[in-house]
Amino acid sequence: QKEVEQNSGPLSVPEGAIASLNCTYSDRVSQSFFWYRQYSGKSPELIMSIYSNGDKEDGRFTAQLNKASQYVSLLIRDSQPSDSATYLCAVDYSGGGADGLTFGKGTHLIIQP
Amino acid sequence: DVKVTQSSRYLVKRTGEKVFLECVQDMDHENMFWYRQDPGLGLRLIYFSYDVKMKEKGDIPEGYSVSREKKERFSLILESASTNQTSMYLCASSPRGGKRLVNLYNEQFFGPGTRLTVL
Repeated sequence: QKEVEQNSGPLSVPEGAIASLNCTYSDRVSQSFFWYRQYSGKSPELIMSIYSNGDKEDGRFTAQLNKASQYVSLLIRDSQPSDSATYLCAVDYSGGGADGLTFGKGTHLIIQP
Repeated sequence: DVKVTQSSRYLVKRTGEKVFLECVQDMDHENMFWYRQDPGLGLRLIYFSYDVKMKEKGDIPEGYSVSREKKERFSLILESASTNQTSMYLCASSPRGGKRLVNLYNEQFFGPGTRLTVL
């Protein structure tokens, strides 16, 4: 069964620190990996995508992918109260096809001022 | 920017009613999806479509049907609403298409969601 596992949290991080969010997945075939941010009562918003092993940086966000360990993470530097949200990890198990993404249940992040 | 819109933000219906949820995207995306999201259960795929008039069952299709008559519009239908269908419904679209095409990039973009309450 194709699964995406995340720690549900809450993960509490002081303002200005680095928040580290982790995700594991169950199928080595997976090619594409995504992080979504979801504020309470709102829809998920795509913030990062990563396809190759290693790090990908975009502003304060860094996505890290390790396919051998089947592990993807999101680092948020200089955390701000506005980063408080649920972060969803998503994996494309369809090999790039049209079958949709498999989502984890999300990690609730709280940035403490 | 990709824009995905949904017909209602909030909807209240009675048990047994037929309910239509509409989704429209303006970026000429081939793939469209309907999810529901419930506390503790995460996002669950109901149906998806990779082309006009094509539809595929997701993980929880029971009690739902869909229609895709035009590329930009994907409708979710609850034939006879029940209280266990009270949920947040999310539509998404993806710019890559074709079930037989292999694409590395499969980003999905979500609409604002419809919070449906069935009484």
